[in-house]
Amino acid sequence: GENVEQHPSTLSVQEGDSAVIKCTYSDSASNYFPWYKQELGKGPQLIIDIRSNVGEKKDQRIAVTLNKTAKHFSLHITETQPEDSAVYFCAASRYGGSQGNLIFGKGTKLSVKP
Amino acid sequence: GAVVSQHPSRVICKSGTSVKIECRSLDFQATTMFWYRQFPKKSLMLMATSNEGSKATYEQGVEKDKFLINHASLTLSTLTVTSAHPEDSSFYICSASSVAGPDTQYFGPGTRLTVL
Repeated sequence: GENVEQHPSTLSVQEGDSAVIKCTYSDSASNYFPWYKQELGKGPQLIIDIRSNVGEKKDQRIAVTLNKTAKHFSLHITETQPEDSAVYFCAASRYGGSQGNLIFGKGTKLSVKP
Repeated sequence: GAVVSQHPSRVICKSGTSVKIECRSLDFQATTMFWYRQFPKKSLMLMATSNEGSKATYEQGVEKDKFLINHASLTLSTLTVTSAHPEDSSFYICSASSVAGPDTQYFGPGTRLTVL
């Protein structure tokens, strides 16, 4: 089955710096790759997603890149702010987003220091 | 955007009792709902997938007689933890999606279950 590895497990940056989180997946049939932000005691919130027919997607300070050949995808946050501090999860699915079994990475705790 | 709610947000119960958790899609019809479990500082693990009007499909290792899932309407799914034990203590999160909507899942805020 699918396996998703996520690195690093913790990341600390200064406010204004960029943060990069990387994930690799094992199932070459995976076609949907979302990123979620989870604050303490809350459910995951979708922040950006990418599908296998696209190599890069950007939404303001957040971008995701996908390398299908290498089977890895990355989350890039620029101009980080203290409110970006949270746990970020990547996920992968071979059945798309709405019907598929999302396989999650283990999460990255991002701390943005003012 | 799509909103999914869960009730209760927190519940404490005694060992041996049953607990019901509700998951509602507030502004869309959820043809599929998913139930996840999350241990402290760990990732989300899918427990089961339910389609409205059908029996839930459970992931390997999840006891269907212990975790009863009902998806009787397009806006409500329930998870009942039967004869709860301390090892069932966890954060339970649902998500919902619609075949008529964006190809993504919308997550609820989660329910913290503590079994004494």
